[in-house]
Amino acid sequence: DVKVTQSSRYLVKRTGEKVFLECVQDMDHENMFWYRQDPGLGLRLIYFSYDVKMKEKGDIPEGYSVSREKKERFSLILESASTNQTSMYLCASSLGGMGNTFGSGTRLTVV
Amino acid sequence: DQQVKQNSPSLSVQEGRISILNCDYTNSMFDYFLWYKKYPAEGPTFLISISSIKDKNEDGRFTVFLNKSAKHLSLHIVPSQPGDSAVYFCAASDPSGTYKYIFGTGTRLKVLA
Repeated sequence: DVKVTQSSRYLVKRTGEKVFLECVQDMDHENMFWYRQDPGLGLRLIYFSYDVKMKEKGDIPEGYSVSREKKERFSLILESASTNQTSMYLCASSLGGMGNTFGSGTRLTVV
Repeated sequence: DQQVKQNSPSLSVQEGRISILNCDYTNSMFDYFLWYKKYPAEGPTFLISISSIKDKNEDGRFTVFLNKSAKHLSLHIVPSQPGDSAVYFCAASDPSGTYKYIFGTGTRLKVLA
């Protein structure tokens, strides 16, 4: 089974902090994605990557950046955390056009 | 502009009855659709998919129907079980070839014992 692992289940950070969310997948998938889930808004794509060192903006990239130095790892960076970035963050990976396989999520609270 | 819409935020169904979750889309170029199920504090898990060349796909208790002319798909769960209580998301494959999926806002299903 494909496994997508997010390093933290819960995080509490202060406003203005730089925050790193890490995601690792173990099945050699080319594509990796970061979403956030908010009530009433569903899953919104922040950034995605279809190859090492490649990245593409999703629907809501403002305030975020990403890094993909190795195929299996995709990091989401909040440059200066704000309270409106309090959310559930979900990492996913996929092979070609197959559906996303998701990690368990990181619940981030910015205070 | 929401290209994939789930207009019912919640649905309650008695155990043993049919659950019908609906999803509408606006882009006629969408050609592959998926349903995901999500429990609290967990990531979504894949449930069932359908290609636009089909109008129905069945997997056990789960059936997805696609009506291309109406740009509508639905997920039927028969019979519904308490363990089916979760949030269900429909998603459409972005036709631009980027392997992105566009998700709906989700429907929370509660199956009452």
